Amino acid sequence: ETGVTQSPTHLIKTRGQQVTLRCSSQSGHNTVSWYQQALGQGPQFIFQYYREEENGRGNFPPRFSGLQFPNYSSELNVNALELDDSALYLCASSSTGAPYNEQFFGPGTRLTVL
Amino acid sequence: AQKITQTQPGMFVQEKEAVTLDCTYDTSDPSYGLFWYKQPSSGEMIFLIYQGSYDQQNATEGRYSLNFQKARKSANLVISASQLGDSAMYFCAMRGHNTNAGKSTFGDGTTLTVKP
Repeated sequence: ETGVTQSPTHLIKTRGQQVTLRCSSQSGHNTVSWYQQALGQGPQFIFQYYREEENGRGNFPPRFSGLQFPNYSSELNVNALELDDSALYLCASSSTGAPYNEQFFGPGTRLTVL
Repeated sequence: AQKITQTQPGMFVQEKEAVTLDCTYDTSDPSYGLFWYKQPSSGEMIFLIYQGSYDQQNATEGRYSLNFQKARKSANLVISASQLGDSAMYFCAMRGHNTNAGKSTFGDGTTLTVKP
C-alpha cells in the first residue's frame, strides 16, 4: 500500500505565472483535500474533491482551482501567482466511511513566488 | 464554523519528562473528531492520535495520550517520557463527521523543543 505522494517537492515561480501541483492519493482513498500552510502557521483548507467534483471550499479566490481524476489523483492549479502564495501546499487523502475518516498527508510541495 | 486555539507558541521540556500541549476548540457540529499531528522540519504531517466526540475514554497511542474534556472544549496532548526526536511542531485539528469530511481545521501549532 503506497502512501500519499506529491510532486514536485520544491518549485520557484515568479509573480503572475501559473503553477500546477500534483497529488496521488493513498490506495483505496476517494477524497482528496488541499491545504496551504504559510510559514509559521497552521494549514488552511483550500478545497476538497470527491468523485472528481469539488465538494467543499475554503476562503480562497477562484484562481485556485483543482481537478480529480478517475484514479483519484488530483491537481491544484494556481493562476496569476502572488507573493503571498509562497507556502507549503499539502495534499491529504481520505475515504468516506473509513474509521473516523482518517486522513493521510503527503510530504508537501514548497512553492516560492518571487 | 470550526475554530482551534493553541495558546502556546513554544514549549520546552527536559528529555524523559512529560509535557502537555494545550488545545481548545469550538464547533457547531454535533459529531466531530479531534486530531493531533506532528510536523518535523521536513514538512510532512504525521498523524499521532484521534479522539471522537462521543468516545467515553481518552485516547492513547503509545507515549501519546489525549486529555479530552468535552464540557470545557479542550483536547490537550500529553507526551510522556519525551525524546529528542519529539522536537517538532505540533498541530491540533478537528473535522466534522459529515460529508465534507476532508476539511480539517488546524490551530497555529506549538513548537516543542526537547532539551537533553
